[in-house]
Amino acid sequence: DTAVSQTPKYLVTQMGNDKSIKCEQNLGHDTMYWYKQDSKKFLKIMFSYNNKELIINETVPNRFSPKSPDKAHLNLHINSLELGDSAVYFCASSQGLAGGPETQYFGPGTRLLVL
Amino acid sequence: GNSVTQMEGPVTLSEEAFLTINCTYTATGYPSLFWYVQYPGEGLQLLLKATKADDKGSNKGFEATYRKETTSFHLEKGSVQVSDSAVYFCALSVRGSARQLTFGSGTQLTVLP
Repeated sequence: DTAVSQTPKYLVTQMGNDKSIKCEQNLGHDTMYWYKQDSKKFLKIMFSYNNKELIINETVPNRFSPKSPDKAHLNLHINSLELGDSAVYFCASSQGLAGGPETQYFGPGTRLLVL
Repeated sequence: GNSVTQMEGPVTLSEEAFLTINCTYTATGYPSLFWYVQYPGEGLQLLLKATKADDKGSNKGFEATYRKETTSFHLEKGSVQVSDSAVYFCALSVRGSARQLTFGSGTQLTVLP
C-alpha cells in the first residue's frame, strides 16, 4: 500500500494555464506538507496543514493555493503558471505537532514542466 | 533562523570506499536532526535521525552522531555499495516550528563498481 501518493506524477503544461496536484496519505497522520524541489535539488517548505488548518505559509506567490478537504488530503492548485514554477513538488505527512521529533513521509513527487 | 549547510557534491566513490558527507547547522532552539535519501526518480526516505546531543542514528550501515559542540551531524558509511548512489539531504526540525523540515542543499553520491 502506498503511504503518501501524488497525482499526477508528471505534468507538462503551457505558461498561463491553471493546474492542480493532488496528495493523499493513508497513514492516519494529522499534518501534511508541500515542498518544492528546484533544478539544483534544493528543497523548500511551501505549506503545512494540521487537521485541515493552515499552519505554515512560506513566501509563496498567491497563485499557489493549497486546499485540504480532509486530514488525508492536501491538494495544491496553481494559477497562471510561469516558467519558474517548473520543479518537482513533494507532498509529505507526519503524525502531528506535539511530542517528540517526527518523521515525515514523502510522496513520489510531481514533476511539473511549464513551457 | 534555521539553516543547514551540507558538503557540496557531487561525490564519486568506488565500491567499498569510506563515505563522509559533512553537515553543520544553525538553529533557534534545540533541533532534531535527520538524514534523508532520495533515490533516482523517487521521493525522500528517512535514513536516520537523532534527537539530542551525542545520540547516534544508524541505519543500513550509515551512521551520524549529533554533536552539539560543533553543531554537526556528519553522515558516514564504512563501505559503500553501488546501490547507495542517491542524493543525501541533511535536515533539522525545531519544536514549535510546526515541524517543518529545513533542508541542506543535498549531496549527490555516485558509487562506481
